[in-house]
Amino acid sequence: NAGVTQTPKFRILKIGQSMTLQCTQDMNHNYMYWYRQDPGMGLKLIYYSVGAGITDKGEVPNGYNVSRSTTEDFPLRLELAAPSQTSVYFCASSYPGSGGFFGPGTRLTVL
Amino acid sequence: QQQVKQSPQSLIVQKGGISIINCAYENTAFDYFPWYQQFPGKGPALLIAIRPDVSEKKEGRFTISFNKSAKQFSLHIMDSQPGDSATYFCAASNTGRDDKIIFGKGTRLHILP
Repeated sequence: NAGVTQTPKFRILKIGQSMTLQCTQDMNHNYMYWYRQDPGMGLKLIYYSVGAGITDKGEVPNGYNVSRSTTEDFPLRLELAAPSQTSVYFCASSYPGSGGFFGPGTRLTVL
Repeated sequence: QQQVKQSPQSLIVQKGGISIINCAYENTAFDYFPWYQQFPGKGPALLIAIRPDVSEKKEGRFTISFNKSAKQFSLHIMDSQPGDSATYFCAASNTGRDDKIIFGKGTRLHILP
C-alpha cells in the first residue's frame, strides 16, 4: 500500500497561473480532504469529499476547486494563483474515527 | 471562530521531564479527539486519540486526559526524549457526520538533551 500520494512535491507559480495538485489514495477510503498549512496557523480545511461525486467547502475554499470522480483521486485546482496561496498543501483520506492518513504534502510558492 | 484552541504555542522541556499540551473545544458534537505529531517536511501523523466516553487513554509514554464537562483535553508526554521534538496538533471531529478533522494551531515542542 502506497497510502496517500501527492504530486508534485514542490512547485513555484507566477501570479495568475493555474495548476492542479494531485492526490491519490489506495486504501479505498470514502472520505478525502485538502488542507493548507501556514506557519503557526495549524492546518485549515479547504475542501472535503465524503464519496465519489460529492464535495463540499471547508474553512478556506476561496480560490480553489475540487472534483471527485473516483474513490481514489481528489485533485485540487488553483485558478489565478495569488501570493496568499503560498503554503504547504496536505491531502488526507480517512474512514470515520481513523484520524486520517496524510500525504507528504506539496510545497507551493506563488511569486 | 476557532473551534479548537491549543496552548502553549511553544514548549521547552528537559530530557526526562513531562511535556503537557492543552486544548479546548467549542462544538459538543465532536466525538473524536486525536493528537498528531509532525516532523519538519512531513505530514501530520496520528499519535493517539480518545473518545469522550473515557477520561484517560494511555499508549506508552503518551497519555490523553479528557474533561468532557470543561470541554478540554490534554496530551502528556512522560519521560520526554529529544526524539519527541516536533510540532504537536490537537484536533477534533464529528465522526457521525463528515469526519472533518478540525485542528488546533499547534505546539512546537523542543526537548533539551
